[in-house]
Amino acid sequence: DGGITQSPKYLFRKEGQNVTLSCEQNLNHDAMYWYRQDPGQGLRLIYYSQIVNDFQKGDIAEGYSVSREKKESFPLTVTSAQKNPTAFYLCASSTTLGGYGYTFGSGTRLTVV
Amino acid sequence: KNEVEQSPQNLTAQEGEFITINCSYSVGISALHWLQQHPGGGIVSLFMLSSGKKKHGRLIATINIQEKHSSLHITASHPRDSAVYICAVLGAQKLVFGQGTRLTINP
Repeated sequence: DGGITQSPKYLFRKEGQNVTLSCEQNLNHDAMYWYRQDPGQGLRLIYYSQIVNDFQKGDIAEGYSVSREKKESFPLTVTSAQKNPTAFYLCASSTTLGGYGYTFGSGTRLTVV
Repeated sequence: KNEVEQSPQNLTAQEGEFITINCSYSVGISALHWLQQHPGGGIVSLFMLSSGKKKHGRLIATINIQEKHSSLHITASHPRDSAVYICAVLGAQKLVFGQGTRLTINP
């Protein structure tokens, strides 16, 4: 079945370390997104990609980086510059940017100690 | 003020009750999504609608574009409906999310 795979589900890192979260989709979707979720808040957009080799900053991009070398993959790196990285991270995709078929992954819970 | 407001933030009901969750938004949109998030964190899309009403099983979603308001109804609620329900509006090619409504259905 088609879908989005995020790994790992839980991730622990020491403060000051960079960490990369994986997101893979087999839906043949052009657009992919990374969101951050904090308790009591709506999901906020970190980065999005409309097509391979192209990506744009979202509302809270500081301290994060992404790449889109393959259509299926959109990894997110949480750098040491991110002041408060402990959060739940969700990856999503859609047929086109702002298009149909929004599909979400199961998320990665990152805890920085 | 958030662009997308949901009410209530928390809702506890008994099994079998009729549930209504509301979503109001302040921006122009091309579509509105209702999403379900279970305790594990993964999100499932329930509905995408741009006008009128959609029904899937015991779930019904309505939208009033003029009033910028949508509702999600659950008939004959069941404990397995317990989850966080999230409204998200699609405007300017990006989704903007409400803060979610935590629903608990007691047996």
